[in-house]
Amino acid sequence: AQTVTQSQPEMSVQEAETVTLSCTYDTSESDYYLFWYKQPPSRQMILVIRQEAYKQQNATENRFSVNFQKAAKSFSLKISDSQLGDAAMYFCACNDMRFGAGTRLTVKP
Amino acid sequence: DSGVTQTPKHLITATGQRVTLRCSPRSGDLSVYWYQQSLDQGLQFLIHYYNGEERAKGNILERFSAQQFPDLHSELNLSSLELGDSALYFCASSEAGLSYNEQFFGPGTRLTVL
Repeated sequence: AQTVTQSQPEMSVQEAETVTLSCTYDTSESDYYLFWYKQPPSRQMILVIRQEAYKQQNATENRFSVNFQKAAKSFSLKISDSQLGDAAMYFCACNDMRFGAGTRLTVKP
Repeated sequence: DSGVTQTPKHLITATGQRVTLRCSPRSGDLSVYWYQQSLDQGLQFLIHYYNGEERAKGNILERFSAQQFPDLHSELNLSSLELGDSALYFCASSEAGLSYNEQFFGPGTRLTVL
């Protein structure tokens, strides 16, 4: 079975600052993939970033990067230079079908 | 626009009724996933179909059923509806049925059971 845990129900960040959202997971699979999805107020689910577990290098997409700690089963999302448009719910997922409960990110101007 | 379409966008019905939600995947995608998102909750995986066959089941109630048709569109049937079934139902599609495939989500169907 796979479980995904997001321990921060809510986070806030000042515009232009950096924020890190936490995620831990548990899986019995040897090879797997981890994802961060963003859900803005429109409720549309949007893929932010994807990490392949067999790759040691942390994934990066523009202002978004991850800190993947395989041994600790930790997969955090760092958002740099936060923008007002980053305000949303963020969901961590393992192998797509298992999602965490989400973290609501507020960006303060 | 993800390329995944869901109809209807909104649905209001009464307890005990039956409804059908429809999903058309992106062109070329063989996999369809269904999720339920209750108010301020995370996504609960319901079921996954790949090329017409059921691939995986999640927390899907016996009152709910789904199928994927030869043209790859999918329908989620919800019967004997209860107040607690009110939620946003998402469909997502991916190219194959592999765990690393990115899922593309539709806009969702908001179901309200009165």
